[in-house]
Amino acid sequence: ETGVTQTPRHLVMGMTNKKSLKCEQHLGHNAMYWYKQSAKKPLELMFVYNFKEQTENNSVPSRFSPECPNSSHLFLHLHTLQPEDSALYLCASSEGQGHNYGYTFGSGTRLTVV
Amino acid sequence: DAKTTQPPSMDCAEGRAANLPCNHSTISGNEYVYWYRQIHSQGPQYIIHGLKNNETNEMASLIITEDRKSSTLILPHATLRDTAVYYCIVSGYSTLTFGKGTMLLVSP
Repeated sequence: ETGVTQTPRHLVMGMTNKKSLKCEQHLGHNAMYWYKQSAKKPLELMFVYNFKEQTENNSVPSRFSPECPNSSHLFLHLHTLQPEDSALYLCASSEGQGHNYGYTFGSGTRLTVV
Repeated sequence: DAKTTQPPSMDCAEGRAANLPCNHSTISGNEYVYWYRQIHSQGPQYIIHGLKNNETNEMASLIITEDRKSSTLILPHATLRDTAVYYCIVSGYSTLTFGKGTMLLVSP
């Protein structure tokens, strides 16, 4: 365990389903991130939250909807996904946005869209 | 963020030092060099970072050239568990952007 917990670890969903990914950290960090890693591609930043406020949205399609109710929890709500959205979704946290030495990543959710 | 160039893959014998190079010729004065690694199907793990001076911690050493245009990550005694993709990232205060990294394979 790294201090950042992601659930579920694996998820298979149909294109018409609605599901949510959860990320939780109790490191006292104030910034949280969603990254996507498709097969054999680099990590792509999706969203950044700093003190519960969204500060970056990297042109992510609206079928991905993030939610950050407090500094310890981050969700990614999924609906009407496409097969090409199948990927490893990684959550990370850091003391604050800009504290780049201290990113702690979770183990990720392996998502398969069928 | 300045771009970095890393070899796509490297091999290292177990117990030997692994020296991973990174070129960052367009680095700005306020940008740090960060190293992370990603073991297969896990999230990336922070290793070390530096601005100008060489740095060492329990995992690795970071050597930055005087002109700051390149750096080397050194794993002094590589083990099989060090097999991973190693990312060299240059950043000021913007969110980390990961490239393709170097796939280090440590063999017995």
